[in-house]
Amino acid sequence: NAGVTQTPKFRVLKTGQSMTLLCAQDMNHEYMYWYRQDPGMGLRLIHYSVGEGTTAKGEVPDGYNVSRLKKQNFLLGLESAAPSQTSVYFCASRGLPHEQFFGPGTRLTVL
Amino acid sequence: EDQVTQSPEALRLQEGESSSLNCSYTVSGLRGLFWYRQDPGKGPEFLFTLYSAGEEKEKERLKATLTKKESFLHITAPKPEDSATYLCAGLPNFGNEKLTFGTGTRLTIIP
Repeated sequence: NAGVTQTPKFRVLKTGQSMTLLCAQDMNHEYMYWYRQDPGMGLRLIHYSVGEGTTAKGEVPDGYNVSRLKKQNFLLGLESAAPSQTSVYFCASRGLPHEQFFGPGTRLTVL
Repeated sequence: EDQVTQSPEALRLQEGESSSLNCSYTVSGLRGLFWYRQDPGKGPEFLFTLYSAGEEKEKERLKATLTKKESFLHITAPKPEDSATYLCAGLPNFGNEKLTFGTGTRLTIIP
């Protein structure tokens, strides 16, 4: 039981490049979330999903897109990366009754 | 607007010196209050959920309590391995299970 996994662990992009972050969970959870964590800002919700085929905007969605084609996977895309998107990205899934379980994170640097 | 504030930002204690971390919240109709531990370079690890004022939960040297306006994480006789950043988060009654996180307290236990 791996819990929540994220790939890649680290990535460096140039401004304007695109990439996709993959989150996978093996706990059969319906709800999944993408957060970013910046110094002094705390965890901020980017997008979330309440089930397969659904997505919704969180607190800071601009510049990101997501897809939830399979229940166990939640993808976060950056179409045209900007330096302001340099951050640590965490994926989480929600168990019962409300606890969220986090992945190990992806450290992204945009030059 | 939902808001969670943690204090202090950082705390240094001698090994064995007990103390408390504070989490105050203004979350509309609080459904739950969560505590997480985060080690450097890792994702947040779930510790406790509290649902109603007066509730307490314990795990090893940690005890979390909840009042109508704030939560405390009490650390009794801490050890160096308790060093981490402790995050709290509020879950409002409405809003698709979206947590509002505080910015954390960075705890350092000195041997």
